[in-house]
Parts: sequence; structure tokens; C-alpha cells
Amino acid sequence: AQSVAQPEDQVNVAEGNPLTVKCTYSVSGNPYLFWYVQYPNRGLQFLLKYITGDNLVKGSYGFEAEFNKSQTSFHLKKPSALVSDSALYFCAVRDHASDSWGKLQFGAGTQVVVTP
Amino acid sequence: NAGVTQTPKFRVLKTGQSMTLLCAQDMNHEYMYWYRQDPGMGLRLIHYSVGEGTTAKGEVPDGYNVSRLKKQNFLLGLESAAPSQTSVYFCASRETTDYGYTFGSGTRLTVV
Repeated sequence: AQSVAQPEDQVNVAEGNPLTVKCTYSVSGNPYLFWYVQYPNRGLQFLLKYITGDNLVKGSYGFEAEFNKSQTSFHLKKPSALVSDSALYFCAVRDHASDSWGKLQFGAGTQVVVTP
Repeated sequence: NAGVTQTPKFRVLKTGQSMTLLCAQDMNHEYMYWYRQDPGMGLRLIHYSVGEGTTAKGEVPDGYNVSRLKKQNFLLGLESAAPSQTSVYFCASRETTDYGYTFGSGTRLTVV
């Protein structure tokens, strides 16, 4: 079975400082990993994904994430946070080996608050 | 604009009432999914479909039924609503060769 953990319910950061949102996963095979962002009263928007290849993936709005197989982590990062980055962030995983239907397992979400 | 459309956006039901949530996508995607979002629990899969006429249960299917009579539509039904079904419901779709989802904007359902 696949699972995702986001250990922080909320991350607070000052504008201009680096932002990191943590995610660890558990799958039986090779993972497909995703980050989504949700703004208030909106649906989820895709940020980035790791399927294969370079462990550092770049996505929308200046975000990037690093796949670390040994630590089973996929942390989301942004070098300089903006107030507009304040939102709810979800990590998701798909176990490519055991699931052919593309079902994603989502973490509980991390609320990011960026203060001016 | 192409995408996933959910109707209605908001609904209040009384316990025991029934309703159907509609998800429509115009991207010709094969795969469609219904999730519910609850605080602190992330998104949990209710049911999903891998093509017209085919559906399967997800993580939390009890109390819900689905149908996919047309490829572009995926309906989620509540036969007898319960307060525990108060949630925000999201529909998503995926192209066969793609990996990520396209989400609808959600339906906020309150059961009183």
C-alpha cells in the first residue's frame, strides 16, 4: 500500500525567506510524486511532478522539489517566498508498480503562511 | 475553457435526502476520480472510473454510488445523506498517457 506523510500542519515564513514543505512517502515500487497547491475556495492546481530522471524537478511559480530515494522524501522548496504563496499544499504519490489505474494517495496537507 | 466542471458548487441537504453531483470534462480523458476533502485528512478517494461504463471503489466508498454512462460525465450519488458526508468533493480526470490530474473547483456539501 502507498502512503504519504506531511509532518507539518502549518509552515510560517517571512516574505523573502526560503520556504520548505516536507513530504515523505512509502510505496512498494517506484514512486510517481506530485505537489499540488490549493488556494481558498478553489480546486487543486498542479505544481510539479517527479516521474523519473533528474532528482531535482522544477515547477510552476518558482517552486522546485528534490526526490531523495534513500530518505523516501520529496520536499517542496522555494528560494524566496511571496505573500501570494500562502495556500494549502498537498503532496501525492502513485505506486507505479502496483497501481495501473493512476490512483493518487494524498497527504493531509500543509498550510503555508507567508507574512510580509 | 477546457477543463473539469463540477455542479453544483454548494448544497445543503437534510439527513436522509438524496442528491447527485455532476462532474463533466471536455478533454476526452479516460480516467475520472471522485475525492472528498476533510480538514486534516487530505483528499480521500471515493470512487473512480477507467472508462465509459466502468467504475471501481476507492478508499471510502460507503454511502456513495457512481455512474459513467458517458465518457465525459462522472456522477456521484448520495442515496441517503448523513452528517458524516459533510465535506468538499472534488472530481479529477486524467489522460491515459499522463500522470497528473486536472481537478474541478469542488462542491461544498453540508448535511444537517
